[in-house]
Amino acid sequence: AQSVTQLGSHVSVSEGALVLLRCNYSSSVPPYLFWYVQYPNQGLQLLLKYTTGATLVKGINGFEAEFKKSETSFHLTKPSAHMSDAAEYFCAVTFTPKIIFGSGTRLSIRP
Amino acid sequence: DTGVSQDPRHKITKRGQNVTFRCDPISEHNRLYWYRQTLGQGPEFLTYFQNEAQLEKSRLLSDRFSAERPKGSFSTLEIQRTEQGDSAMYLCASSLVQGPTDTQYFGPGTRLTVL
Repeated sequence: AQSVTQLGSHVSVSEGALVLLRCNYSSSVPPYLFWYVQYPNQGLQLLLKYTTGATLVKGINGFEAEFKKSETSFHLTKPSAHMSDAAEYFCAVTFTPKIIFGSGTRLSIRP
Repeated sequence: DTGVSQDPRHKITKRGQNVTFRCDPISEHNRLYWYRQTLGQGPEFLTYFQNEAQLEKSRLLSDRFSAERPKGSFSTLEIQRTEQGDSAMYLCASSLVQGPTDTQYFGPGTRLTVL
C-alpha cells in the first residue's frame, strides 16, 4: 500500500537559509511523487512532481526535490528561504487515481 | 481565471441541516475529485468521477454524503443531516488523463463549520 511520512510537523528557518523538508514514502509499485504548497485558507498548489526519468526535479519558486529510490525519500529543498515561502507543504504519492497525502509540514521563516 | 472554482468558500450551518457544495473544474478536464481536509492534516480522498461516472468512493463517504457530476462538467457534494465531525475543508480537484498518471489541480476549497 502507498503511504507518505513527513518528518517534522513544523520547520523554522531564517530568511536566506536553506530549506529542507523531509518526506519518505512507501509504495508497492514505482511511485509518482508530488509536493504541494498550501497558503492559509487556500487550496493546494502543485510545486513539483516526479514521474519517471531524471531524479532531480525542479519546481516553481526555486524549489527542487530529489527522488532517492534506495532511501525511499523525496525531500524538498530551496537554497535560500524567502518570507513568502511561509506556508504548509504536503508531500504526496499517487495511488492511481487518487493522491495519498502526508500530514504536512508548516514552514515558518524568521526575519 | 481558468482554474478550479468552488462555491461557497465558507459555510456555517447548524447540526442536522443539509448543505451542498459546488465545484467547477478546469474546462475539458475529464476527472474530478473530492477531498476532505481537517485541521492539521493532509487532504483525504473522498470520491472521484471520470466524466459523469462516479468510479470510486472512500469509506470516509458515509451514507449522508452524496456527490454528482450530471453532465460531466461541474460537480456537487451534498451532506445530509450534518454533524459536528463534518466540519472540515472540502477540496475539489480536476485533471486531464493523458497517460499513466495525471496532475490534479485543486480549487480554493469550501470551509464547512457545523455548530
